[in-house]
Amino acid sequence: DAMVIQNPRYQVTQFGKPVTLSCSQTLNHNVMYWYQQKSSQAPKLLFHYYDKDFNNEADTPDNFQSRRPNTSFCFLDIRSPGLGDAAMYLCATSRASGAHNEQFFGPGTRLTVL
Amino acid sequence: AQRVTQPEKLLSVFKGAPVELKCNYSYSGSPELFWYVQYSRQRLQLLLRHISRESIKGFTADLNKGETSFHLKKPFAQEEDSAMYYCALSATTNSGYALNFGKGTSLLVTP
Repeated sequence: DAMVIQNPRYQVTQFGKPVTLSCSQTLNHNVMYWYQQKSSQAPKLLFHYYDKDFNNEADTPDNFQSRRPNTSFCFLDIRSPGLGDAAMYLCATSRASGAHNEQFFGPGTRLTVL
Repeated sequence: AQRVTQPEKLLSVFKGAPVELKCNYSYSGSPELFWYVQYSRQRLQLLLRHISRESIKGFTADLNKGETSFHLKKPFAQEEDSAMYYCALSATTNSGYALNFGKGTSLLVTP
């Protein structure tokens, strides 16, 4: 089945130790998104790629970076994780970036920062 | 400012009772609104979008621009409807569109 896959499902890192989260998709969608969701809060968009074009949200900290080496894969790099970065990280895709396009979500990666 | 508000964190109803999950939004443009659902141990998925004007799993949602609301309704709740429901607004950004989510309402349908 075509889907959005996130690895690992659970990631534990130490304060200040760089960490990379992975997302892949078999839907051949043009757009890939990264959301951060803290406990009892709404998913918050960090950035997205339309093909190779990177689009950062204005309030996304510089500590968060992303790479999309090809259509299928997208990575979220946290350069120096702080305790406040502990959250669920959701990857999503959509065929295009129009207002009414459905987004397809991965299962998420839960990040713990010790 | 673009904002989605879901005033109820938790909603508990009995099986067979009507259910309404509230969603209000603020947006200066023409809104595109969605309901996403997350069942236990499953990923977030689209339930319905206002542009389709359809009923999915017995749920409907009508966009009321006067009240800036997009409440989700079902006349007879079922136990399998228990899930987390998120209202979302597709809003313009510098680079296209992005979903602004509400904080979600956890619906519990008890027998």
